[in-house]
Amino acid sequence: GQNIDQPTEMTATEGAIVQINCTYQTSGFNGLFWYQQHAGEAPTFLSYNVLDGLEEKGRFSSFLSRSKGYSYLLLKELQMKDSASYLCAVLAGNTPLVFGKGTRLSVIA
Amino acid sequence: ETGVTQTPRHLVMGMTNKKSLKCEQHLGHNAMYWYKQSAKKPLELMFVYNFKEQTENNSVPSRFSPECPNSSHLFLHLHTLQPEDSALYLCASSQERLAGGTGANVLTFGAGSRLTVL
Repeated sequence: GQNIDQPTEMTATEGAIVQINCTYQTSGFNGLFWYQQHAGEAPTFLSYNVLDGLEEKGRFSSFLSRSKGYSYLLLKELQMKDSASYLCAVLAGNTPLVFGKGTRLSVIA
Repeated sequence: ETGVTQTPRHLVMGMTNKKSLKCEQHLGHNAMYWYKQSAKKPLELMFVYNFKEQTENNSVPSRFSPECPNSSHLFLHLHTLQPEDSALYLCASSQERLAGGTGANVLTFGAGSRLTVL
C-alpha cells in the first residue's frame, strides 16, 4: 500500500510565500501530482513531478526528492483566491492515483 | 466548465430509495473513474473503467453499482444506501488508465455530486 502524509491546515498572509509539504512511502514510484480544490468545486491539476528537482509554473512551483519520499508545493505572492485545499497524489506500480487527505490553506489579509 | 459534467449536483435520498449519478466527459478520454470524498479523509478510489471495461473495483459494497455504456458516459447506481455513504462523489477521466508521462495520466475531475442519505 501507499502512505501519503500532508498537513491538515495552514494559514498564510496575502502576498507571502507558503510551502505545503507532502511525504509518501511507496514502491514502484511513477510520479507525484498536486491538485487544487476550491470548496464545492472540482479538483484541478496543478503540477506533476517524476524526476528530482523543482518545476516552476508562474506563482506555483513543485519540488520532488525521490530518495527522501518528499515533495512540496510552493505558492508565491499569495492571493485570496489561493484559499483552497491542496491535494498531493502519488502514482505507483499498476494502481491509479492515490491521494493524501489534502491541506486546507487559508489566505488572510 | 471542466469538460467533465456530473448530475445531479446535489441528491438527498432515503435508505430505501434507488437513484443514479451520471457523469459525462467531452474530452475524448478512454478511462473514467469514480472517487468518494468524505470529510477529513483522502479521496477514495471506487471504480475504474478503461475503454468501457471495468479494471478496478476497490472493495466497494454492492449497494454501489457502476455502469459504463461507452467511453463518454459513466453511471453510479445507488440502492439501499447507509447514512455513512453520505459524501461527495467525484467522477474523473484521463486519456488512458495508466501510461508513462504527464499527459496520459492527468485526471480531469467533475464538480461532484453531493449525496446525503437520510
